[in-house]
Amino acid sequence: QSVLTQPPSASGTPGQRVTISCSGRNSNIGTTTVNWYQHLPGSAPRLLIYTNTQRPSGVPDRFSASKSGTSASLAISGLQSEDEADYYCAAWDDSLNGWVFGGGTKLTVL
Amino acid sequence: QVQLVESGGGVVQPGRSLRLSCAASGFTFSSYAMHWVRQAPGKGLDWVATISYDGGVKYFADSVKGRFTISRDNSKNILYLQMNSLRGEDTAVYYCAKDTFLTGTSAFDSWGQGTLVTVSS
Repeated sequence: QSVLTQPPSASGTPGQRVTISCSGRNSNIGTTTVNWYQHLPGSAPRLLIYTNTQRPSGVPDRFSASKSGTSASLAISGLQSEDEADYYCAAWDDSLNGWVFGGGTKLTVL
Repeated sequence: QVQLVESGGGVVQPGRSLRLSCAASGFTFSSYAMHWVRQAPGKGLDWVATISYDGGVKYFADSVKGRFTISRDNSKNILYLQMNSLRGEDTAVYYCAKDTFLTGTSAFDSWGQGTLVTVSS
């Protein structure tokens, strides 16, 4: 069981907006920042969002994220077929003195 | 362009040891913390270990503490993961990843393609 909680699956049709939630604790999301990763099977994971809301260069602005208290969420607008992937939230945990990941959300583009 | 190439994976019997390597290029290796993250078959990403830019600070997941060691050779731009007393639950693809900062508590901004470790008799 993962320290950070994500829904196992999400879906949407092309052009739609979907959100993926990530719930944690005071010792991780409540205190530190949240990062989001995209992972296509067979490929290297990719940093999508860092420090709660920041997009690395090259990540489309269709991807956005927010954080409030001990929860965070990733939003993908204008859904495209190539967005079909697994998405993970992650945060540093001050109590565990280590990184914690969510269990991952499999996004299906219908 | 950042490049991370893992090697050293393979099939190993329970209780035995294995050392993974990650060759880094395209950035100043000695200026960034590095990480190992794994993914067991059918499971999600699972953080394993982190080492600071100079090797002075190391963090380990509870599941590997006392069995795995992380180290780095900044003169050769190589990251290592020494895995001892391997168990079946250590079977996974192991990825090395670069941090955005010195200490290893920021974000993983570049990842390798991974190397598969299978622990089986």
